[in-house]
Amino acid sequence: EVQLLESGGGLVQPGGSLRLSCAASGFTFSSYAMSWVRQAPGKGLEWVSIFSGGNSRTYYADSVKGRFTISRDSSRNTLDLQMNNLRAEDTAVYYCVKDRHSFAPPSGGMDVWGRGTTVTVSS
Amino acid sequence: DIVMTQSPLSLPVTPGESASISCRSSQSLLNSNGYIYLDWYLQKPGQSPQLLIYLNSNRASGVPDRFSGRGSGTDFTLRISRVEAEDVGVYYCMQALQIPYSFGQGTKLDIK
Repeated sequence: EVQLLESGGGLVQPGGSLRLSCAASGFTFSSYAMSWVRQAPGKGLEWVSIFSGGNSRTYYADSVKGRFTISRDSSRNTLDLQMNNLRAEDTAVYYCVKDRHSFAPPSGGMDVWGRGTTVTVSS
Repeated sequence: DIVMTQSPLSLPVTPGESASISCRSSQSLLNSNGYIYLDWYLQKPGQSPQLLIYLNSNRASGVPDRFSGRGSGTDFTLRISRVEAEDVGVYYCMQALQIPYSFGQGTKLDIK
């Protein structure tokens, strides 16, 4: 069974750091692009970052560029999101998402979503 | 950046009737390879989003054929025929042609 399991969320003060991790199973992890998508409380979905599986290129939303870093460890089948200089507006549920394709952009559908991990930035 | 605009934002539907959700992009989502990079997702209450339609008109695995997607470069429609109680939730369109990817605001479908 294809599965994504996020971890690492929690409460952090503004300006602090947090590292999210996503454990993948049931598919050849290195063959697919992987994204992080977030959802602030009571709000819609916001794409955050993508790791292109085929060429290891990374891309970010403007709102997190320079503060967040996406990385992949194919030996452990994990996708990480290092989040620095966190702001109150980063408070959200963060979803790890598998792409249908290896190379991105563009993406042809994100077909597997984890359950999410909650990040709260507050003093 | 490409802006995605959905309508309506709220959609009450009687079971058995059909429903349509519109999505408009600020730029064409037609790629030079001939594919249209527009997807539809459903987030049921208390759940993670799930892929319904990819590349404009292709149903994801396990999605009932009551769901269909169509559209041209900038105007898209998700149609649900014979709405069932299990279809309630928030529907999002998303463009995945260009970075940054972007979602519509979401359309909340509920049962009358």
